[in-house]
Amino acid sequence: ILNVEQSPQSLHVQEGDSTNFTCSFPSSNFYALHWYRWETAKSPEALFVMTLNGDEKKKGRISATLNTKEGYSYLYIKGSQPEDSATYLCASRSTDSWGKLQFGAGTQVVVTP
Amino acid sequence: NAGVTQTPKFQVLKTGQSMTLQCAQDMNHNSMYWYRQDPGMGLRLIYYSASEGTTDKGEVPNGYNVSRLNKREFSLRLESAAPSQTSVYFCASSEAETSPTNEQFFGPGTRLTVL
Repeated sequence: ILNVEQSPQSLHVQEGDSTNFTCSFPSSNFYALHWYRWETAKSPEALFVMTLNGDEKKKGRISATLNTKEGYSYLYIKGSQPEDSATYLCASRSTDSWGKLQFGAGTQVVVTP
Repeated sequence: NAGVTQTPKFQVLKTGQSMTLQCAQDMNHNSMYWYRQDPGMGLRLIYYSASEGTTDKGEVPNGYNVSRLNKREFSLRLESAAPSQTSVYFCASSEAETSPTNEQFFGPGTRLTVL
């Protein structure tokens, strides 16, 4: 059983629509929450690292929020484009395993023109 | 900068054969990691090396060994491959295990099939 859960597992979005999805993680001993973007046949690429409750990060049309007290993070894509099609992974770190990332299974996003 | 490189990209083994997956990084990172990725499972940590000269088990270490050859290189060895080790293997590196951001940079992956 994964400690880090992502939902939904996959979603299809029309070009131009906005979407969001969730990452749930253990709130006890929380240290950091990472988001990665993973395109097919490529390596995962870091999007955001968040450490503080209430953190909000933004990169272009993609943004993320963090709630460490209840153990969840949302990732938002505004005005989805076909190039946003990828699997989005979240990973949490705890204070009792500093360097280890616990990954979720990912949310696969498919943006259709 | 090449970043994180892995060899080979693809490999097919027969059950019982051994092989070593190679990983190198040119970012002067202290920490390196080996993951495996299976459908529906996310990335699972096999072994990691917080710094040169140290290695530790991750979530799924059974059937694997590692060597941190120097600061740049971290290899993963399968002594006697089993079909359950069919997977995509990713190497990653980061500046330091305990840094607040500890962004990990991933290699291109090795797709391994064990028949």
